[in-house]
Amino acid sequence: DAGVTQTPRHEVAEKGQTIILKCEPVSGHNDLFWYRQTKIQGLELLSYFRSKSLMEDGGAFKDRFKAEMLNSSFSTLKIQPTEPKDSAVYLCASSQGGAETLYFGSGTRLTVL
Amino acid sequence: QQKVQQSPESLSVPEGGMASLNCTSSDRNFQYFWWYRQHSGEGPKALMSIFSDGDKKEGRFTAHLNKASLHVSLHIRDSQPSDSALYFCAAREGADRLTFGKGTQLIIQP
Repeated sequence: DAGVTQTPRHEVAEKGQTIILKCEPVSGHNDLFWYRQTKIQGLELLSYFRSKSLMEDGGAFKDRFKAEMLNSSFSTLKIQPTEPKDSAVYLCASSQGGAETLYFGSGTRLTVL
Repeated sequence: QQKVQQSPESLSVPEGGMASLNCTSSDRNFQYFWWYRQHSGEGPKALMSIFSDGDKKEGRFTAHLNKASLHVSLHIRDSQPSDSALYFCAAREGADRLTFGKGTQLIIQP
């Protein structure tokens, strides 16, 4: 079985640009998560979907970050407009739900100039 | 306040030695605990889970859970250079989402 696929692996954006990160979860998984990872803050939850319904939308990220689950096998994270402080690794993860293990993609490293 | 706290932030252990990582939760509703490991350039991967009090051993890795004190630990014996990674403790209540700690950076010195 394929794992979680994230594209692109690296993204460089100018301040003020709109960028879209993509994620394909493990087939059959019901839960999908977007995290931001930095050395200082660690893993910060951006969005959480269960069966395509938005369950949690990280409060501090609401204004410029928007995650969508277009179907059960594809999700996007849009950052608009980007700021230099958004430079981080963005991770997508999925699970079957309940107390099941979380599977992460390899992440997208975003650099905002 | 961080609901899942890990210590130390960084740990250096000689090859072949024992590495001990700690995790404490401030939420008594957390029932399920995981350890995740992240190598550089990759996403975190589940290492092992522990749901009951006591020890759980998988190869060189042993997790210990004490629900009364909300303390989880991970012990790695005979540490290898490939064990060098960022280790996350995570916890959840029921079917809720996982809450992660900030991680312990483990360095195995050859």
